[in-house]
Order: sequence, then structure tokens, then C-alpha cells
Amino acid sequence: DIQLTQSPSFLSASVGDRVTITCRASQGISSYLAWYQQNPGKAPKLLIYAASTLQSGVPSRFSGSGSGTEFTLTISSLQPEDLATYYCQQLNNYPRTFGPGTKVAIK
Amino acid sequence: QVQLQQWGAGLLKPSETLSLTCAVYGGSFSGYHWSWIRQPPGKGLEWIGEINHSGSTDYNSPLKSRVTISVDTSKNQLSLKLSSVTAADTAVYYCARAFGVSDLGVYPRMDVWGKGTTVIVSS
Repeated sequence: DIQLTQSPSFLSASVGDRVTITCRASQGISSYLAWYQQNPGKAPKLLIYAASTLQSGVPSRFSGSGSGTEFTLTISSLQPEDLATYYCQQLNNYPRTFGPGTKVAIK
Repeated sequence: QVQLQQWGAGLLKPSETLSLTCAVYGGSFSGYHWSWIRQPPGKGLEWIGEINHSGSTDYNSPLKSRVTISVDTSKNQLSLKLSSVTAADTAVYYCARAFGVSDLGVYPRMDVWGKGTTVIVSS
């Protein structure tokens, strides 16, 4: 199975800050990576797929990059509603594994 | 707009079988793959398995011996059964559409999610 790690596991930042989350895969997955946002008590929401393609309706302050084994999710200007846990997922192989999550708090 | 509505028993005793259903409204059922994912309290997401409209499945190995995912195309529904549950199966269970899995040149993603069903296993 492909293992995904995320760093950091927790971060606290101020409104307006630039935030970056890293996801690393245990083997190459090309660009078969998606990012999800999970607000407290809610279902996950797709933010980015194919490593860098913004899902329709997602604010442009979210962006993704990377390929192979290292990927990043960037929030260019953190907003209060971005308080959430962010998960990466690989869809290159079965089983479809998720990263452990990064919890983002607002200072 | 595609919506997924889930339902099923929320409280089970150990050794019973978990049974959940997910109905697809407002969009096509055939031609897509459909997934189940779960999230234990305070923990991350775990992919359970996936099925296409014709019934072909893939399951996560640790659960494979206990899981059955099926579809009823006449009702635009998918179902999850998990046998011999224990407290470790306590979680919120989500269904989701796995868009683009079988489409050449399309990167797959889970683009539509149900709201989740809380299942508690307790004696």
C-alpha cells in the first residue's frame, strides 16, 4: 500500500498569512493526488485534484503543486473559514489511502 | 446538483452486521464509481472500498473479509455491509462519488460526499 505522510500535523496562523502543507508519498504517484478540507463536524470537501487542479467553486487562494512523491497545498491568504483539517489522498493505486491530516487553527 | 443521502442503523452490538445505504439524487448513477470511507472519533479518514455501476469492487485489505459493497441501479443506491463489528468499527461512515476512475485522461477524485452516518458499536 502507498503510505502518505503530512507535515505539519498542526499549525496555527493569523488571518492573511500564507500557509503551506506538505504531503509525501511512499512511492511515486505521478499527479494522482487530491486535497480535501474537513470543517469541524462536516464531511470532507474536495479542494484540489490532479495535484494542482482547483475544483470548481473553490476559492483561488487555495493552490496545489507537486508530482511524484512530494506535494504541497498552499493557502495564499488564510481566512477565518479556513479553520479545518486538510487531508491528501492518493488515487494512483488501490487501496486509496489518505494522509493523517493537518489541522489548521487561526491565531 | 448531485446529492448523496445516507441512512442506516446507528447503534450496534458487537458481532452484529453494520448496514448502510446511500442514495444518489440529481445526477447519473451509471458510469461512475462509488466509495465508502469511514472516520473513527477524533481520527483520520480510512478508505473502505469502491464499486462501479456494474458491481465490480475493490476493498481495503484489513476489512476485505468482512465488507460487502453492492449497488442497486434501479434505485440509484449503493450499500455497505460490515459483518462481525467491534468497538473499533465505531466511526462516521461516508459515501462518496469517485469521479473519473474509469475515464481515460481524467484524474480521479472524490468530488461529492454524503453528510455521514454515525455508527456506534457498544454492548
